[in-house]
Amino acid sequence: EIVLTQSPGTLSLSPGERATLSCRASQSVSSSYLAWYQQKPGQAPRLLIYGASSRATGIPDRFSGSGSGTDFSLTISRLEPEDFAVYYCQLYGNSPRLTFGPGTKVDIK
Amino acid sequence: QVQLQESGPGLVKPSGTLSLTCAVSGGSISSSNWWSWVRQPPGKGLEWIGEIYHRGSTNYNPSLKSRVTISVDNSKNQFSLKLNSVTAADTAVYYCARLYCTSTSCSLDPWGQGTLVTVSS
Repeated sequence: EIVLTQSPGTLSLSPGERATLSCRASQSVSSSYLAWYQQKPGQAPRLLIYGASSRATGIPDRFSGSGSGTDFSLTISRLEPEDFAVYYCQLYGNSPRLTFGPGTKVDIK
Repeated sequence: QVQLQESGPGLVKPSGTLSLTCAVSGGSISSSNWWSWVRQPPGKGLEWIGEIYHRGSTNYNPSLKSRVTISVDNSKNQFSLKLNSVTAADTAVYYCARLYCTSTSCSLDPWGQGTLVTVSS
């Protein structure tokens, strides 16, 4: 079973700053099956990035994803007030078919 | 666009069976997609429960496999989750979602709004 680790657990930043979130897999994975989600309190997760680097429909271009092998990242170029949320990475694989990382909370400094 | 809506009892007794349904609108459940259940205990992260294809094939999280059944009703455009022998540890918000696959990627989109199920006597 592949385990996803996210760091940091919490990222405290100010609006306008750049956020870089990390997702590390316990073994090399296909970047095609790495996705990122945003979740705000009381809401369902929302797909941000699929295939490691492709933005989902309607996602602003300040969000970008990159990485390959075991190391992936989500970057928010300039934090907007609505970007303060929890972010999860997710891998589609073999068993279990879907695995989530533990999440990174981006909160206001 | 496709929308999903969960429904079912919000309170289940310990050792009982949790039963939820996800209604799909704006598209056919018989399209070439897998349909998933994900849960989130209060204040914790996301856990994938399992998925079903419209023809009835299923995949389950090994950690829950012995207690989970996911089924599909194509005529009603909905799919369902049953989790038996529940305990307080099964208290969570339960989400249904479509596994959307392109030729090069698979991700969950869209999601239902989620429904809180509490296990308590």
